[in-house]
Amino acid sequence: DAGVIQSPRHEVTEMGQEVTLRCKLISGHNSLFWYRQTMMRGLELLIYFNNNVPIDDSGMPEDRFSAKMPNASFSTLKIQPSEPRDSAVYFCASSPGTLLQYFGPGTRLTVT
Amino acid sequence: TQLLEQSPQFLSIQEGENLTVYCNSSSVFSSLQWYRQEPGEGPVLLVTVVTGGEVKKLKRLTFQFGDARKDSSLHITAAQPGDTGLYLCAGGSWSGGSNYKLTFGKGTLLTVNP
Repeated sequence: DAGVIQSPRHEVTEMGQEVTLRCKLISGHNSLFWYRQTMMRGLELLIYFNNNVPIDDSGMPEDRFSAKMPNASFSTLKIQPSEPRDSAVYFCASSPGTLLQYFGPGTRLTVT
Repeated sequence: TQLLEQSPQFLSIQEGENLTVYCNSSSVFSSLQWYRQEPGEGPVLLVTVVTGGEVKKLKRLTFQFGDARKDSSLHITAAQPGDTGLYLCAGGSWSGGSNYKLTFGKGTLLTVNP
């Protein structure tokens, strides 16, 4: 079975550009979590969805960040405009609605 | 805001040694999970503990959840180079009745030298 799929795996962009990160959930799962990982702050929850509905977006840093779940299996995290401090590894995790979360391989974002 | 403190932050040991890493909080959690993360990959779940005082063993790894459900420890016996990685603890909490989210510690980076 395919696990959580994230794309791209690496993204390098210039400050001010729009960045879109993508995530495909495991089939049959109904919860989706976006996390950001940095050395300084560790792994932080940005937003999570349950049955395509955003439940808690209190971790989204500011209005430059937005996340959508247009269907039950796919989500995007958009940063517009991007800034150097957004550089981090972004993970999405998929859950069948239990205590279990399955993480994707992450997208390493570098904003210069 | 719920916070989880992990210690030590870094640990470098020789193959065959034993070690313990700790995860502490002032908040009570419904459950406590431990993950291991290798470079370039996402965290992978090792164990979930849900009952205060619970002890779980996974081969050479022993996990304990504190009686008050605020802290946890991970003990590795006879560490091997394959145990090298970032160990993350995560406290679980329910919100809104059916929504479950995790709060992660910053991790312990373990290096086991041959």
